[in-house]
Amino acid sequence: ETGVTQTPRHLVMGMTNKKSLKCEQHLGHNAMYWYKQSAKKPLELMFVYSLEERVENNSVPSRFSPECPNSSHLFLHLHTLQPEDSALYLCASSQEAGYSGANVLTFGAGSRLTVL
Amino acid sequence: KQEVTQIPAALSVPEGENLVLNCSFTDSAIYNLQWFRQDPGKGLTSLLLIQSSQREQTSGRLNASLDKSSGRSTLYIAASQPGDSATYLCAVLVGGNKLVFGAGTILRVKS
Repeated sequence: ETGVTQTPRHLVMGMTNKKSLKCEQHLGHNAMYWYKQSAKKPLELMFVYSLEERVENNSVPSRFSPECPNSSHLFLHLHTLQPEDSALYLCASSQEAGYSGANVLTFGAGSRLTVL
Repeated sequence: KQEVTQIPAALSVPEGENLVLNCSFTDSAIYNLQWFRQDPGKGLTSLLLIQSSQREQTSGRLNASLDKSSGRSTLYIAASQPGDSATYLCAVLVGGNKLVFGAGTILRVKS
């Protein structure tokens, strides 16, 4: 366990379903992130939250809706997804969301999403 | 736009061999460079972080170097073991607090 816990680990959903991915960190970090890892493509940053405020939205479609109710929890709400959205969704946290060269991200194990 | 390339895409070596993984990036304006390890179906584990002012970092059998001006980094693994088999990812931290990742090198160490 890295201190960043993601649930569920696996999710299969239809295109009309609504589901949510959850991330929880026990490290006292102030920044949290969602990354998407598709097959044979580099990880892509989706969202960054700093002190519960969204500071980065990397041109992500509105069918992905993040929520950060407090500095320890991050959700990704999913609605009307497409089969091409099938991927591993990784959550990460760091002490801060600033430009420090020592800003180390701690990743969770990921949620494997399959959209039918 | 920053792009990160990792070569080779896959590598298979016998146990005990020393090996080098390569990473290149197109824009030298980075805050740091990190090497991660990813096991199948798992998240990422940070291996080494090199700040932009540093040239190398070492941890056990791992040594990573950074030549920011030429946009290159190498990860050297000494005396490879089957447990080293994994995907190795290189990422650079750029403005906007973004980590830009390469596609990874899949390493298999045969016993």
